[in-house]
Amino acid sequence: DQQVKQNSPSLSVQEGRISILNCDYTNSMFDYFLWYKKYPAEGPTFLISISSIKDKNEDGRFTVFLNKSAKHLSLHIVPSQPGDSAVYFCARNQFYFGTGTSLTVIP
Amino acid sequence: DTEVTQTPKHLVMGMTNKKSLKCEQHMGHRAMYWYKQKAKKPPELMFVYSYEKLSINESVPSRFSPECPNSSLLNLHLHALQPEDSALYLCASSQDVAGGPREQYFGPGTRLTVT
Repeated sequence: DQQVKQNSPSLSVQEGRISILNCDYTNSMFDYFLWYKKYPAEGPTFLISISSIKDKNEDGRFTVFLNKSAKHLSLHIVPSQPGDSAVYFCARNQFYFGTGTSLTVIP
Repeated sequence: DTEVTQTPKHLVMGMTNKKSLKCEQHMGHRAMYWYKQKAKKPPELMFVYSYEKLSINESVPSRFSPECPNSSLLNLHLHALQPEDSALYLCASSQDVAGGPREQYFGPGTRLTVT
């Protein structure tokens, strides 16, 4: 879905620091945004979601923030671990995936 | 059991061949999906089945024909494909299509090469 964009194709972060992955959207009609993580040669795995009526959702090391006025959401991972190295996708209404950001966490 | 299985893992087929991809889940999910993923691109939705009925077809060419024989199985029949159809084909399932975030569980995919 071209209406969901992740403008950073890649991101490198030191272990223990915060990783911030961003997602921008144009279509305001959504119920949920979801974040998925994908390792090579595997299918995506679900991480965390956020409802359109909320501005924050937290689950352990993962927090997603939603800014509806800016049509922007972000995923924060704190602290980052080497095992977090993967491609991260945001998805609008579960079906429509963003372009993905490849995260590398450096030990 | 939170696993979605897909067979085969790899498939090479000629443009005149007919083949099928299979997907299975035993989580009691009532929604199943087919996605296509090209290298360095996001998964692209192809079909959605809800309660064994086709609910979304994202204008996919007729050389791709989905089938949902029962709530646990999803097939994708392939015929007269083109080399540009070479991609990773992902199957996914979720509890339902609507009514919540409905996170999807993905299989590992079938790597398809059309020669």
